[in-house]
Amino acid sequence: EVQLVESGGGLVQPGGSLRLSCAASGFTLSLYTMYWVRQAPGKGLECVSGVGTRGDDTFYVDSVKGSFTISRDNSRNTLHLQMGSLRPDDMAVYYCARGTGSGWNDVFDLWGQGTMVTVSS
Amino acid sequence: EVVLTQSPDFQSVTPKEKVTITCRASQSIGSSLHWYQQKPDQSPKLLIKYASQSISGVPSRFSGSGSGTDFTLTINSLEPEDAAAYYCHQTSSLPLTFGQGTKLEIK
Repeated sequence: EVQLVESGGGLVQPGGSLRLSCAASGFTLSLYTMYWVRQAPGKGLECVSGVGTRGDDTFYVDSVKGSFTISRDNSRNTLHLQMGSLRPDDMAVYYCARGTGSGWNDVFDLWGQGTMVTVSS
Repeated sequence: EVVLTQSPDFQSVTPKEKVTITCRASQSIGSSLHWYQQKPDQSPKLLIKYASQSISGVPSRFSGSGSGTDFTLTINSLEPEDAAAYYCHQTSSLPLTFGQGTKLEIK
């Protein structure tokens, strides 16, 4: 089955760190640009980061630059998001999504079920 | 940053009605505009890509149009299972951005 499964969410104190993972199955991860999209409780969608197929081309939304790092391990079909200096406004469901298109001009055609990150003392 | 503004924010509609949701971009984005549907407690699902291209498996009552700065998602003959939030999404330039969402309630 073609799917994405996120893990690693949980409760973390402000200023803490967390590493999210996204396991891909049913397709070859190395062929696709991948993204992390978050959704704060009751709010809309925000694309926080993306990584090209080889892992050497990345982007971040301004609010997480310098705090979050996206990476991928194509040999293990896994995507990661290392989150540091977490703030209460980082609290959200984090989805990984597969991009299909050209460069960053992708549609997100496959989404995981999401993993919740709670930032609270 | 390209800001996407959807209207309306909320709409209450009856089954079989025709629904139109608009998405306006703060600058021209060509056809790099996509639509997603998100039902409660579910992940988003791709409905329309590149403004007007249909997606396999998506019912034909969903269609999209527009280019440049003005885009429309149309749902013909609304079904009860169409109750959801709908988001537009631009991939013309970084950062990739979404509209604020439109919530459809079925009466």
